[in-house]
Parts: sequence; structure tokens; C-alpha cells
Amino acid sequence: NAGVMQNPRHLVRRRGQEARLRCSPMKGHSHVYWYRQLPEEGLKFMVYLQKENIIDESGMPKERFSAEFPKEGPSILRIQQVVRGDSAAYFCASSSQGGATDTQYFGPGTRLTVL
Amino acid sequence: QKEVEQNSGPLSVPEGAIASLNCTYSDRGSQSFFWYRQYSGKSPELIMFIYSNGDKEDGRFTAQLNKASQYVSLLIRDSQPSDSATYLCAVKTSYDKVIFGPGTSLSVIP
Repeated sequence: NAGVMQNPRHLVRRRGQEARLRCSPMKGHSHVYWYRQLPEEGLKFMVYLQKENIIDESGMPKERFSAEFPKEGPSILRIQQVVRGDSAAYFCASSSQGGATDTQYFGPGTRLTVL
Repeated sequence: QKEVEQNSGPLSVPEGAIASLNCTYSDRGSQSFFWYRQYSGKSPELIMFIYSNGDKEDGRFTAQLNKASQYVSLLIRDSQPSDSATYLCAVKTSYDKVIFGPGTSLSVIP
């Protein structure tokens, strides 16, 4: 499977727990983007990363949320002390090079439910 | 003004008709424009991208771009019930960020 992979596909957490979402980009892609989608709403940009670098985190909430894309392994979106408002679908997308003609391809998403 | 706006839905068309989806954007320096299709409960799937003014055709889909009017559209010819989905317009802005519109829900009636 050469596509973008995300796991887990579904994640249930209780309020106050931590959620870790993983994203493996498409083969040959070094750019990763995270988006959040609330029910019946559009995609909201969260963060843009390249290997070992955060390029743009202007969409990330200031507290409890963090993201990384280490030299080895998948990109991780981490949500600490989850609250019910964090319940959403979280999508990861990857691209190969950045720039004007760059195209993002999406993974299947992780549906987070906070009880 | 929102950065990327789409015509409000839901949009209903009969099977075999042309569906027209519209999108406007605010950043005049935007460079690239994308249309994604999203079925309920699924992830967005890239349908078309367009960089230059004019039309770009791919099968039953035609993307149209008018940078002077800051307008991009997607036409779906011979609409099929399987085209029923939410269509997301995405714009790569001059500051290299991709902004998504809120989406237009399309329903193709058999």
C-alpha cells in the first residue's frame, strides 16, 4: 500500500487522557499536514511539518496539542488531557516537494471520540 | 470575508445533468487550485488541480479558473448517483498554505 497511512482509524478516550495519532506519508513524500474536521464542517488546517521541522503551526491550539515528524518513523499528533470538544476526524495529508504545484494526498483519517 | 468560499448547498441535480460547483477566494496571489471529493465518513479524494487560467478537462470533470475574478469552478457532466458527495475547493495561497472551503454537498437524483 503506497498511500498515506493513519492509525488508529478509531480512537476512544476519556476526558483527561492523552491521544496519539500516527501518520505515515506516501512513499517518497517528506511533507506532512494535519487537518481537523468537525461533524458537518470543513477541513481546518492544524500544522505543516517536514522531517524534524515544524514549518507552520498556525492552526494548532496553543495548549494541549503538539506534533512531530521525526527523522525515522511516522508523524505524531499528540493531544494531552483531551476534552469532549476534541472529538473530531483528524486527517493527515502528505506531499512530495512543497511549492506552487505541490499536491496533497489524504490518509483515511482517525476518528477520535472523547467520552 | 472568508478566505475560500463555496456556493451553499445542498445542490440537487437529476441524473445525466451537469452539476456546477463554484468557489471564490480572497488572496489574489493564490497559485494553485484543487477540487476534492469527500464521501460521508471518508477522507478527501483529489479530483482535479488547475494552475493556469482557462479550462482543464479530465473525463466528465472540467475545472475552470479565472484569476482576475478570483473564481474557480468544477463542472461534472452526465452526473451519476455515485457523484453524490461533498466537494471541497482548496486554494494554495501566496503564503504557501492550502486553505479549504466549507464544501458543497451534491446530490444526484436517479
